[in-house]
Amino acid sequence: KQEVTQIPAALSVPEGENLVLNCSFTDSAIYNLQWFRQDPGKGLTSLLLIQSSQREQTSGRLNASLDKSSGRSTLYIAASQPGDSATYLCAVFSSGSARQLTFGSGTQLTVLP
Amino acid sequence: GAVVSQHPSWVICKSGTSVKIECRSLDFQATTMFWYRQFPKQSLMLMATSNEGSKATYEQGVEKDKFLINHASLTLSTLTVTSAHPEDSSFYICSARDEGRWDTQYFGPGTRLTVL
Repeated sequence: KQEVTQIPAALSVPEGENLVLNCSFTDSAIYNLQWFRQDPGKGLTSLLLIQSSQREQTSGRLNASLDKSSGRSTLYIAASQPGDSATYLCAVFSSGSARQLTFGSGTQLTVLP
Repeated sequence: GAVVSQHPSWVICKSGTSVKIECRSLDFQATTMFWYRQFPKQSLMLMATSNEGSKATYEQGVEKDKFLINHASLTLSTLTVTSAHPEDSSFYICSARDEGRWDTQYFGPGTRLTVL
């Protein structure tokens, strides 16, 4: 059964810092991996999706990498802003018969002004 | 990107009543939709996979008679929480799989259920 772990659980940084969020998964048979943002009491906003054949995706100040063989992904946020404060969730879409998203427990990010 | 809506966005009900939550894919057809549950400060837990025209597939530990799922069309799935109790209070989120876009799942905004 796929398990997804996110480290750290919480992170607080001053505005302007570059930061890295980590995600690891146990089963490398994945179809894709997504990073989401969730604001308190709200639904999910998809940030980046990386197909299993890709190594990274970029969107603005965000860059996500994928190393399928080692079961790791990182989300890099450049020049962090207070508006980036949210919970960031990593989710893996397993291939095979499961074909479902498995979520990590999230990293709660606070960017201090 | 694709849009998925949920209705209602929040609901408060008395213990023992039933509550229906709708999930709609607005600009694509979804053979498969998913229902998740999220408790405060926890991640999303998959409850069931909703399949258009057939029975839903429930995850282990989820009571299918309590959480009724109907996926009657390619754009609508409903989750009915029957005989709701305070412990059913949670944030329920649906998603719809877009097979035309590499099976990407698009998420609804969630429904906050509070059972008094």
